[in-house]
Amino acid sequence: AIQMTQSPSSLSASVGDRVTITCRASQGIRSDLGWYQQKPGKAPKLLIYAASILHSGVPSRFSGSGSGANFTLTISSLQPEDFATYYCLQDYDYPRTFGQGTKVEVK
Amino acid sequence: EVQLVESGGGLVQPGRALTLSCSASGFTFSDYLMSWFRQAPGMGLEWVGLIRSKRYGGTPIYAASVVGRFTISRDDSKRIAYLQMESLQAEDSAVYYCSREHFGMDVWGQGTTVTVSS
Repeated sequence: AIQMTQSPSSLSASVGDRVTITCRASQGIRSDLGWYQQKPGKAPKLLIYAASILHSGVPSRFSGSGSGANFTLTISSLQPEDFATYYCLQDYDYPRTFGQGTKVEVK
Repeated sequence: EVQLVESGGGLVQPGRALTLSCSASGFTFSDYLMSWFRQAPGMGLEWVGLIRSKRYGGTPIYAASVVGRFTISRDDSKRIAYLQMESLQAEDSAVYYCSREHFGMDVWGQGTTVTVSS
């Protein structure tokens, strides 16, 4: 199975900060990666698919980059509603595998 | 409105079976691959498996942790995907989500909780 290593596991940030989360795949996965946001008690929400394409309705402060094995999610200016846990998910192969998650907390 | 609604969760004894349902509305259900995920309390997300659309054979694929115990099926006439779970163990306790896979997992249900305990 493809292992997805996500970092950091948590971070503290303030409103307005630029936040970067990375995900590394154990092998090349082209651009077959999505980023998801999850708030406590809620289902995950798709933010980015195909590594860099913004899902419909997602604010433009979210962006994704990368291909092959290294990927990045960037929030350009953190907003109060962005405090949540973020996951990467590879959809290149089966089994689908997630990163461990990054909890973005208030500094 | 595109929507998925899971049901069927609850408290079940170890070794017993349970079937979850995922009811779809607002889109042509038969056209889409449907996936199941789960999340144990305080833990990350785990992919459970999926079922392809009939156009692509309607076949399921499973995570190693559930193969042989879980069965995913679909009834396109009812717009429902199913997750049949057998020989449940404590480590299967989780919130179970269904999702539509279409350029990422673009639609998710609200989840249904399964608790395996005596």
